[in-house]
Amino acid sequence: DAGVIQSPRHEVTEMGQEVTLRCKPISGHNSLFWYRQTMMRGLELLIYFNNNVPIDDSGMPEDRFSAKMPNASFSTLKIQPSEPRDSAVYFCASSYQGLNYGYTFGSGTRLTVV
Amino acid sequence: GNSVTQMEGPVTLSEEAFLTINCTYTATGYPSLFWYVQYPGEGLQLLLKATKADDKGSNKGFEATYRKETTSFHLEKGSVQVSDSAVYFCALSEDDYKLSFGAGTTVTVRA
Repeated sequence: DAGVIQSPRHEVTEMGQEVTLRCKPISGHNSLFWYRQTMMRGLELLIYFNNNVPIDDSGMPEDRFSAKMPNASFSTLKIQPSEPRDSAVYFCASSYQGLNYGYTFGSGTRLTVV
Repeated sequence: GNSVTQMEGPVTLSEEAFLTINCTYTATGYPSLFWYVQYPGEGLQLLLKATKADDKGSNKGFEATYRKETTSFHLEKGSVQVSDSAVYFCALSEDDYKLSFGAGTTVTVRA
């Protein structure tokens, strides 16, 4: 089991550019979560998918953020246009049947917008 | 709404010392409670959990007991090692999918 795989590990981009973060959940997991971690705000849930369908996107900051899950093995989080305040570590996590077995987190993508 | 409050860090200890990280919560119902650990450069890992009052979660020498009367879920370990250096997060969930995390407590164990 390779775990939750996120790419890239690090991303540095200029303000105004489009950024796409990628996530491959654990095979067989039916829930996928995107979290953002910053020093100021800690860990924030951005969006939650269940069986590839977005269930709760109330944490998505604004229209510049969008997330998709076209199939059970892939999800993207896109920021367009990016701003310096989007700099953070973005984590993807997956789970099977909710929280019975906890989330499995990926190693995160560290995004820096300059 | 739901919230989790953890003791502020950083916490620095010597090897074999006793570790306690305080966690209290606010919830409208009866949440499940969790401790997650984040090692440098990695994602969070589930350390232990408890789903109802008086349950004790334990793993890798760590323990935490769900105390409904004090709305607390304090993490303890009797003898820490250098390898326990990490950031520890207390979290709760009332709906079986969404986790609300505390701010995290950085623990450094010196040899």
